[in-house]
Amino acid sequence: RKEVEQDPGPFNVPEGATVAFNCTYSNSASQSFFWYRQDCRKEPKLLMSVYSSGNEDGRFTAQLNRASQYISLLIRDSKLSDSATYLCVVIQNTGGFKTIFGAGTRLFVKA
Amino acid sequence: GAVVSQHPSWVICKSGTSVKIECRSLDFQATTMFWYRQFPKQSLMLMATSNEGSKATYEQGVEKDKFLINHASLTLSTLTVTSAHPEDSSFYICSARDQGGQPQHFGDGTRLSIL
Repeated sequence: RKEVEQDPGPFNVPEGATVAFNCTYSNSASQSFFWYRQDCRKEPKLLMSVYSSGNEDGRFTAQLNRASQYISLLIRDSKLSDSATYLCVVIQNTGGFKTIFGAGTRLFVKA
Repeated sequence: GAVVSQHPSWVICKSGTSVKIECRSLDFQATTMFWYRQFPKQSLMLMATSNEGSKATYEQGVEKDKFLINHASLTLSTLTVTSAHPEDSSFYICSARDQGGQPQHFGDGTRLSIL
């Protein structure tokens, strides 16, 4: 079982739709959580941090559920420019810090 | 915000050439830097982790004599692909973080094409 699992998609949604991605992690020593966005042939860019209390940034909302060990990302009012691969990232603290990347979920927003 | 600069962004060279890629943190001290490789439509693959002043830790299957990593200062790490061959053609991306537990920030990536 992978330490961080994501639905690879692709998710194909029309402009204006609301789309949600989930990510699960298996190691309870995971302490920090992030969503990154990667455009085709570009480097990943940090989108937002994820907290148990939730984190909202404009049309994007991230949520962490520690009990169930999953992280979510909600995108409201999707734009064409939201088309990208979204990476779930977990940092474990097991005597040293280790960053685990999910394989990513591909999103295509169409007009 | 934090910025990581990677250079060059694109390299095309002949088989057998050695290629050096630089990764610099511009506004923070990068105690740890990471080197990734990514093939088209595939996930990031961690190649090695380097801490400033220490030898890099390579992931299983990554040849340390082929991919030389130097992290001599808190702002600079280099990856040298020695005697590159066409199968080494890929997108190489570095990332850096200042403290454990903090998110990594990525360089722009280097697209390496070996003819």
